[in-house]
Amino acid sequence: EIVLTQSPGILALSPGERATLSCRAGQSVSSRSLAWYQQRPGQAPRLLIYGASSRAAGIPDRFSGSGSGSDFTLTISRLEPEDFAVYYCQLHGGSYYTFGQGTKLEIK
Amino acid sequence: QVQLVQSGAEVMKPGASVKVSCKASGFSFTDNYMHWIRQAPGQGLEWMGIINPKDSVTTYAQKFQGRIAMTWDTSTSTVYIELSSLRYEDAAVYFCAREPGHNTLNFDFWGQGTPVTVSS
Repeated sequence: EIVLTQSPGILALSPGERATLSCRAGQSVSSRSLAWYQQRPGQAPRLLIYGASSRAAGIPDRFSGSGSGSDFTLTISRLEPEDFAVYYCQLHGGSYYTFGQGTKLEIK
Repeated sequence: QVQLVQSGAEVMKPGASVKVSCKASGFSFTDNYMHWIRQAPGQGLEWMGIINPKDSVTTYAQKFQGRIAMTWDTSTSTVYIELSSLRYEDAAVYFCAREPGHNTLNFDFWGQGTPVTVSS
């Protein structure tokens, strides 16, 4: 099973700054199978990005995804207060689905 | 609008079975895959399995094989997960989630979550 490793574990930034979150797969994967989610405390996850770079419906354009092969990135261009949350990448690996361990984005 | 409404919190004893429901509305139930994903307290997300209501096919994560069952009721557009032989480490919030269409490989709508406590 392919392992997804997210970094950093915790990212402390201020509103207005740019956030760059990384997700690395244990081997090269199809970009089509990579998605990103945001989870706020006490809430269900919310789909942000699918197919590595396509924004889900209703997601602000300050969120963008990029990458290919085994390295993928979620970028938040200018942080809003509501963006401080935990972010997960997710992969479809054929007969299974798997998540990274998460990056917590906290206010500096 | 798309909604996934799950059943309420459960408190179960070790060794027992728990069954959680997820009622779908606002979309064609049989035209989408449905998944169950859980999250232990303070931990990340763990995929448990997938069900295709259209052709009855289910696939479960290997770690749950033998004690998990996903079923559905087309007449009420409800999917269920039953987990048996509960252990303390099964305490988690259980989410249902929709994979839009077939083979889109992501989860676009989620239920609100059902907390399951395992306590003697």
